[in-house]
Amino acid sequence: SQTIHQWPATLVQPVGSPLSLECTVEGTSNPNLYWYRQAAGRGLQLLFYSVGIGQISSEVPQNLSASRPQDRQFILSSKKLLLSDSGFYLCAWRAFRTETYLNYGYTFGSGTRLTVV
Amino acid sequence: RKEVEQDPGPFNVPEGATVAFNCTYSNSASQSFFWYRQDCRKEPKLLMSVYSSGNEDGRFTAQLNRASQYISLLIRDSKLSDSATYLCVVILSGAGSYQLTFGKGTKLSVIP
Repeated sequence: SQTIHQWPATLVQPVGSPLSLECTVEGTSNPNLYWYRQAAGRGLQLLFYSVGIGQISSEVPQNLSASRPQDRQFILSSKKLLLSDSGFYLCAWRAFRTETYLNYGYTFGSGTRLTVV
Repeated sequence: RKEVEQDPGPFNVPEGATVAFNCTYSNSASQSFFWYRQDCRKEPKLLMSVYSSGNEDGRFTAQLNRASQYISLLIRDSKLSDSATYLCVVILSGAGSYQLTFGKGTKLSVIP
């Protein structure tokens, strides 16, 4: 079965510090991978998505970046965190097969709650 | 106009009650629809897909009205464990890698 792992679960970082969040998927190959952010009291916002190794699409211009060094690994980074980067960061995947996503949506990791102080 | 809109609630209902949520979407070319459930401080989890003919899963019934561009979720015989935020999710046509667009969610509290 497919599983998605995300870590760390919680993180408190000072303003201006770097960030690296990692997400890995098991039990599938060539998944589409996504990073979402959920700020307090707000909806889920798509940050980045990737359809393959080295392929990253950005949805929102900001000081975050993403990389996909391996098929089942997706990393979210920042060189210098801002207060506004605080939020709940969620990695998600979906199978490559079109009919699967149309019927079954996405699966999310357990998330990283980031507080920038 | 927001792409996916939901009443934020909260809906406070007694155990055993029937409750319904609606969600409207702005893009008439939207392809697929889902309801997700999100517990406090947890990740969203897929509750059910929404099919054109409507579909039922136990106490949960989802309906799609393409003409009016809304989807609904009906929960019968509410349980305390149903307390959560329910997210309406839409896949928009032509959205590249078919990423989901989420509503902000409707909060449900089932009261003993």
